[in-house]
Amino acid sequence: GENVEQHPSTLSVQEGDSAVIKCTYSDSASNYFPWYKQELGKGPQLIIDIRSNVGEKKDQRIAVTLNKTAKHFSLHITETQPEDSAVYFCAASSPPVQGAQKLVFGQGTRLTINP
Amino acid sequence: DGGITQSPKYLFRKEGQNVTLSCEQNLNHDAMYWYRQDPGQGLRLIYYSQIVNDFQKGDIAEGYSVSREKKESFPLTVTSAQKNPTAFYLCASSTGQTYQETQYFGPGTRLLVL
Repeated sequence: GENVEQHPSTLSVQEGDSAVIKCTYSDSASNYFPWYKQELGKGPQLIIDIRSNVGEKKDQRIAVTLNKTAKHFSLHITETQPEDSAVYFCAASSPPVQGAQKLVFGQGTRLTINP
Repeated sequence: DGGITQSPKYLFRKEGQNVTLSCEQNLNHDAMYWYRQDPGQGLRLIYYSQIVNDFQKGDIAEGYSVSREKKESFPLTVTSAQKNPTAFYLCASSTGQTYQETQYFGPGTRLLVL
């Protein structure tokens, strides 16, 4: 089955700098890659996603890149702000043999923005 | 106000006791999911349901049970057979129409063992 590895596990950056979180996946059939942000004690919230027919997607300060050949995708946050501090999860979804969509999650990255 | 609600926010379980976590959604979604989250780890799938009266085991179903009698409700029971139930439990839903779609999460229930 699918396996997703996420790095780094913790990341600390100065306010205004950029942050990059990387994930690799194992199943070449995976074709949907969402990123979630989880604040303390809350459920994850989708911040951006990408499908395998595109290589990059941007939404204001957030961007995601996908390299299907190397089977890795990355989250880029520019001009970081204190409210970006949270745990970020990547995930991958491959077409199911049967049944509903199954997301496989990375281990998470705790991002801290230092003022 | 559409979304997913989970209750209670905190739940305490005694040894040998079964407890049930509630998950309700008013998004008219067909698919619903239960995940377990342990500190420093990603989310792991317990059970999922594509449609009413149907559900499948996920990766860590042992010690858990579910039902899906109504489209909007997907309760999870943590049985006494689950020896390490302390975790943060998250319910999610999606339209169930494709495998490239967003899953929306509830606020979670934290289960603690007394």
